[in-house]
Amino acid sequence: AQSVTQLGSHVSVSEGALVLLRCNYSSSVPPYLFWYVQYPNQGLQLLLKYTSAATLVKGINGFEAEFKKSETSFHLTKPSAHMSDAAEYFCAVSDQGGSEKLVFGKGMKLTVNP
Amino acid sequence: SAVISQKPSRDICQRGTSLTIQCQVDSQVTMMFWYRQQPGQSLTLIATANQGSEATYESGFVIDKFPISRPNLTFSTLTVSNMSPEDSSIYLCSVAVGLVTGELFFGEGSRLTVL
Repeated sequence: AQSVTQLGSHVSVSEGALVLLRCNYSSSVPPYLFWYVQYPNQGLQLLLKYTSAATLVKGINGFEAEFKKSETSFHLTKPSAHMSDAAEYFCAVSDQGGSEKLVFGKGMKLTVNP
Repeated sequence: SAVISQKPSRDICQRGTSLTIQCQVDSQVTMMFWYRQQPGQSLTLIATANQGSEATYESGFVIDKFPISRPNLTFSTLTVSNMSPEDSSIYLCSVAVGLVTGELFFGEGSRLTVL
């Protein structure tokens, strides 16, 4: 069975600081990996995805994530946080067998302080 | 992409009653999914709803508790039956669009509080 671990539930950074949100996965088959973002009172939207092409994936709003098979990780980063980045971030995994079933992590709430 | 509308956006219900959540998509989609997001928890898949067939439920979820309809390619409903406070959650409708496996579009969710 696949699973995703996002340690902690909340991270706080200053505006302009590095954002690092950690995600580790477990999968018995080559995974597809995703980061979704949920702004307050909105549905989830896709931030970026890894689908076995380049290991460094760039997404919207300046975010990127690197797939590291040896570490079973897919951490999300952004060099400089902006106030508008305040949201909840979910890491998710699916298998590459054609299933749209995603397994989500518990989410990480990002607060950006002025 | 897809635009998904869910109704109601929130509701407060009494124990023992049932509530039906509607999900409308602006384009025809084959697969629709219903997720539950409990407070402080991750999203959990309840069931997959395909047009013209019975919904497929995940372990721990049953049709009697969460009946689903999928009358056409743009609409689905999820009913939460005989509600208890443990059913207080956000219920999310999502669809898969395009060729990339796992890329889902989500509605804004229906926040349900059961007293």
